[in-house]
Amino acid sequence: DVKVTQSSRYLVKRTGEKVFLECVQDMDHENMFWYRQDPGLGLRLIYFSYDVKMKEKGDIPEGYSVSREKKERFSLILESASTNQTSMYLCASSFPGLRNTIYFGEGSWLTVV
Amino acid sequence: DQQVKQNSPSLSVQEGRISILNCDYTNSMFDYFLWYKKYPAEGPTFLISISSIKDKNEDGRFTVFLNKSAKHLSLHIVPSQPGDSAVYFCAASATDSWGKLQFGAGTQVVVTP
Repeated sequence: DVKVTQSSRYLVKRTGEKVFLECVQDMDHENMFWYRQDPGLGLRLIYFSYDVKMKEKGDIPEGYSVSREKKERFSLILESASTNQTSMYLCASSFPGLRNTIYFGEGSWLTVV
Repeated sequence: DQQVKQNSPSLSVQEGRISILNCDYTNSMFDYFLWYKKYPAEGPTFLISISSIKDKNEDGRFTVFLNKSAKHLSLHIVPSQPGDSAVYFCAASATDSWGKLQFGAGTQVVVTP
């Protein structure tokens, strides 16, 4: 059974703080993703990684960075949190290729005050 | 500019009846389509998919129909059950996109007794 684990389910941070969201998958997947979910906008891709130390920007990378030092771990970093980054963040992983299912973690609710 | 659109934010259906969820896309490069189901405070889970070489795919109570010429797909749930109450996301992917998914805004389905 595929497991994608997001270490923090609920966080409250102050504006300007540096925030780390951690994600670990146990299926040896090459691909890992960070999405954010907002009402009326669905899921939007922030960053994507197809291998260790490799990353690509998604549709909304501004204000975010990522780190993938190990295959199983993909971190999302908010360099200086702002209130418009209050959202649900979803990590996901998959094998490469078109028809491989993307598996999601349970999500991290981030509130920036 | 959303490339995948779900124009109905919500749908209410009686238990035992058919639920029909609609999705439109604009990018003609999309050739693989998926539906994900999401309960509150949980990550999305894969439901059913369809390749562009098919026009229908069935899995138990769930059937997805694809009309490529209209750039439209739909998900039919028959019969609807209370446990189907969730948000349903339509997603699409293109061959050269490394498996990245573009999601619609989601449709909240409520199945009433």
